[in-house]
Amino acid sequence: GDSVTQMEGPVTLSEEAFLTINCTYTATGYPSLFWYVQYPGEGLQLLLKATKADDKGSNKGFEATYRKETTSFHLEKGSVQVSDSAVYFCALRAYRNTGFQKLVFGTGTRLLVSP
Amino acid sequence: DAGITQSPRHKVTETGTPVTLRCHQTENHRYMYWYRQDPGHGLRLIHYSYGVKDTDKGEVSDGYSVSRSKTEDFLLTLESATSSQTSVYFCAIRPGLPKDTQYFGPGTRLTVL
Repeated sequence: GDSVTQMEGPVTLSEEAFLTINCTYTATGYPSLFWYVQYPGEGLQLLLKATKADDKGSNKGFEATYRKETTSFHLEKGSVQVSDSAVYFCALRAYRNTGFQKLVFGTGTRLLVSP
Repeated sequence: DAGITQSPRHKVTETGTPVTLRCHQTENHRYMYWYRQDPGHGLRLIHYSYGVKDTDKGEVSDGYSVSRSKTEDFLLTLESATSSQTSVYFCAIRPGLPKDTQYFGPGTRLTVL
């Protein structure tokens, strides 16, 4: 079945460091891919998305490129800030036989950025 | 802001008691979802709805029921709460094209003692 695998956390970085959070997926067909972010005490917010191979999603300095050949969608940011501390979820959009659309999430990666 | 509220935001209850969580949206979107979030599992789909009185099961539906008698409200009920249902519950809506993605509410933290 469809699944998403994320790197284990927490990821601990100093401010202005380069960030990579790895995400790989298993799916039939060509799913859309998403990164969501969850700040402490809040719900999930859509950070970026990509709908087809080689698409690059970007938002707030974060980027991720849909790599079909490696089934990956790694999240990157060139210079993290303390305010980026949160939990990041990779997800794919899958469809049931009924046509119903659902999201399949990874387990989340906690990012801690220190000043 | 997708106009989603959840109530209550926090609840502590005892094993065996019924619990109902409410998700309310202000924009009449057709699709609504209930997820639970647990460490090591990410978010898992409990139930979803594709219209008033139209609901179906997700991956982890055992012990849960839902109802949607109005477009704006999607209720999740634990008929007899168990400690394994201690979790954070998130509601989501999906507007449909062109914004064909899901937007999440703030969550309800439920503790079953």
